[in-house]
Amino acid sequence: DSGVTQTPKHLITATGQRVTLRCSPRSGDLSVYWYQQSLDQGLQFLIQYYNGEERAKGNILERFSAQQFPDLHSELNLSSLELGDSALYFCASSGTSGGPTDTQYFGPGTRLTVL
Amino acid sequence: AQSVTQLGSHVSVSEGALVLLRCNYSSSVPPYLFWYVQYPNQGLQLLLKYTSAATLVKGINGFEAEFKKSETSFHLTKPSAHMSDAAEYFCAVSDQSSAGYQKVTFGTGTKLQVIP
Repeated sequence: DSGVTQTPKHLITATGQRVTLRCSPRSGDLSVYWYQQSLDQGLQFLIQYYNGEERAKGNILERFSAQQFPDLHSELNLSSLELGDSALYFCASSGTSGGPTDTQYFGPGTRLTVL
Repeated sequence: AQSVTQLGSHVSVSEGALVLLRCNYSSSVPPYLFWYVQYPNQGLQLLLKYTSAATLVKGINGFEAEFKKSETSFHLTKPSAHMSDAAEYFCAVSDQSSAGYQKVTFGTGTKLQVIP
């Protein structure tokens, strides 16, 4: 158990819909990262937050957005869903510095299926 | 831009045989390198990391990796494979983003199959 929690575990929805994925980081961790894992794209970094502020963006679509709240939990919002958005979405958290040597602790993931 | 290349998307070894998973990196100096493991239906878990201290890094579950600057490699090894080692392994390189925070790039992963 990494200490990172993600809900829901599974999500099935239809094209065009909007969903929200939730992540609670390990106690004390200020950085939260979101990743998308799919068979064709592999593990792709989406976005990073540090103590409530966006710090780095990766391959995140404009239809996707995220935020980190004062209690440090984070939400990833996916809208106008397409079939190709079906994937595993991971949240990870890391320690107080957010620096390059930090270990990232991954949650169990949310499996999104878009029908 | 930093990147890692994992040679071989699938590797099969016999139980008890040497495990060797290859990773080559491209990064500005110094690179910070990681190996993560993903068991079926689980998130990634850190095996080990190189942060410019000792070049031979020991990790969990008997795995180790050696940083070789001249070869830009960070291969993962284990002397004797166990059935429980069957999983997907990801090499990753970390650098600071322009905002001064960690930016990690993962390789495409290598699935390890252990044959009884």
